[in-house]
Amino acid sequence: DAGITQSPRHKVTETGTPVTLRCHQTENHRYMYWYRQDPGHGLRLIHYSYGVKDTDKGEVSDGYSVSRSKTEDFLLTLESATSSQTSVYFCAISAQGENTEAFFGQGTRLTVV
Amino acid sequence: GIQVEQSPPDLILQEGANSTLRCNFSDSVNNLQWFHQNPWGQLINLFYIPSGTKQNGRLSATTVATERYSLLYISSSQTTDSGVYFCAVNTGGFKTIFGAGTRLFVKA
Repeated sequence: DAGITQSPRHKVTETGTPVTLRCHQTENHRYMYWYRQDPGHGLRLIHYSYGVKDTDKGEVSDGYSVSRSKTEDFLLTLESATSSQTSVYFCAISAQGENTEAFFGQGTRLTVV
Repeated sequence: GIQVEQSPPDLILQEGANSTLRCNFSDSVNNLQWFHQNPWGQLINLFYIPSGTKQNGRLSATTVATERYSLLYISSSQTTDSGVYFCAVNTGGFKTIFGAGTRLFVKA
């Protein structure tokens, strides 16, 4: 299994509070991604990173920010959590981006009440 | 943007039966992957298959890039094959687009 650890695995938070999810990898892969999975939508890309301090938006980036200060860590922050951000969040990594295989973490189940 | 369509959306099989899952995509792709999401939510890599045919035990996959489709074959299905099967494609720009998935239930 690819060395990807997401934390926390489960979280319940209140509307309006900031939340940070962490993805840690031990594979030294350059590319990291955050997805959310919702019923009826499959997995949708939130943000991705193509190197330390290099990030870009995906298709559902509103309300989210990311940071990557080290190769191994990619943080996803919900600046002010809303109920619509209740979801399962997956981190993924790939070695060379578009032409290589992507591997996924175990997921984080976030509930915003 | 590219459209990724998977069929059928739902599939119920008797243990031991064979099945074919299909993934159609609307544009040229750089790569294609098949994943199995088990009932515990874990995404398991099945195949990285931008073109050609691969086999892994009871599973095999074929991608015909020129005709913009991929097929996942499951033979002699087992109850542990239950879950959701996703096709995911990449068209460049480091973004992978997922289909909506095929939900498979294998009855004992």
